[in-house]
This record gives sequence, C-alpha cells and structure tokens, in this order.
Amino acid sequence: ILNVEQSPQSLHVQEGDSTNFTCSFPSSNFYALHWYRWETAKSPEALFVMTLNGDEKKKGRISATLNTKEGYSYLYIKGSQPEDSATYLCAFLPIYNQGGKLIFGQGTELSVKP
Amino acid sequence: DTEVTQTPKHLVMGMTNKKSLKCEQHMGHRAMYWYKQKAKKPPELMFVYSYEKLSINESVPSRFSPECPNSSLLNLHLHALQPEDSALYLCASSQGARGFRNTIYFGEGSWLTVV
Repeated sequence: ILNVEQSPQSLHVQEGDSTNFTCSFPSSNFYALHWYRWETAKSPEALFVMTLNGDEKKKGRISATLNTKEGYSYLYIKGSQPEDSATYLCAFLPIYNQGGKLIFGQGTELSVKP
Repeated sequence: DTEVTQTPKHLVMGMTNKKSLKCEQHMGHRAMYWYKQKAKKPPELMFVYSYEKLSINESVPSRFSPECPNSSLLNLHLHALQPEDSALYLCASSQGARGFRNTIYFGEGSWLTVV
C-alpha cells in the first residue's frame, strides 16, 4: 500500500503570515506529484504538476519544491490572505501506474484569519 | 472553457432506487475519471476512461456502473446502493491518461446520500 502523508493536518495563521506544509511520498518509482487547492463547495483546482527532482514552481504567492530522492514536496504561501483558506491536497503518481491512478494525501486544511 | 460540469449537485436516493450522476467536459480531453470522497478522507479513484474505453476499475462494486457515451460525457449509474455509499462523487478529466503528467480538472462533485 502506497502512503502519501501530508502535514500538518490543519493550520491556522493570521493574514500576512507566510506558511508552508509538507507532502511525503514513496521515493521509489516516482513519476509525478500534483498539488491541488480545494475551497469548500468548489472544485479542486490544480496548482502544480511536478516531475523533476529539484523542481521549483510558482504561481503568484504560492510556490512548491520537489525532492524525489527523499520523497517530499513543500508548498509555500507567502503573505497568506483570507482567500487562501482552503484544503491543499497533494497526489502522487508512481511510474508503474501511468493509467491515471493518483494517490492522494489527506490534505492540509489552511485557515487564514483577517 | 476549463470546466467540468457535474449534475446533480445533491442527490438523495433510497436503497432500491436507480439513479445516475452525470459529468460533462468540453475541453477535448480524452481521459475521464470518477473519484469518491468520504469526509476527512482523500479522494479515491473508482474508474478511468481513456478514449471512451474503461481502462481502470478499482474493484468497485457492481452497484456502481460507469458509462462513457462519448468523449465529452461520463455517467455513473447507481443501483441498490447502501448507506455507506453516501459520499461526494467527483468527476475529472485530463488530456490523456497515459504519460500522466497532465493537469487534471475536477468538477464540483455530486453529494450523494443513500437512505
């Protein structure tokens, strides 16, 4: 059974704080790692698809890094805003499962207070 | 248009009912997916259709029956469900399922309650 772990499970920060959270995945058989942002009552929104060790991707105030050798990815949010409040999910795709079976973590629930 | 549209948003059905969930995308994607999510758990893959053919069935009970009438539509037919099947059902699509580095686009989901 492949495990994808996210930490922390929840996070409460003040507006303006920068924050980061972790996705841990099996370091062997890596193919891709996806990050999603899921606001309540909306559809999960794709943030990044990361494929190469050492990858760094950025979208506005959100950025992510990838270490496939040790099996982790960090998501950073700079200067959090209330609209960043959402659940952030990572999903791992192993190389032998290219048929589309993403394995999701349980998510980090972020709450940003004004 | 980067939307995946799911209907209905909410469905309440009895254990003897037959109902269907519907999903539509007009992005020209050739892979479509059904995921199931229970509260506080990660989404779990149920089915993958690639080029309108079922490519993955994650040992889903036969009371769930997927159908892909064409490349834009994906249905999930429900029959004789159990209360434990109550969950959020998410549809998604991507350009392809092979070489899976493509972005997946999700719908908002259909909340199903089985009574």
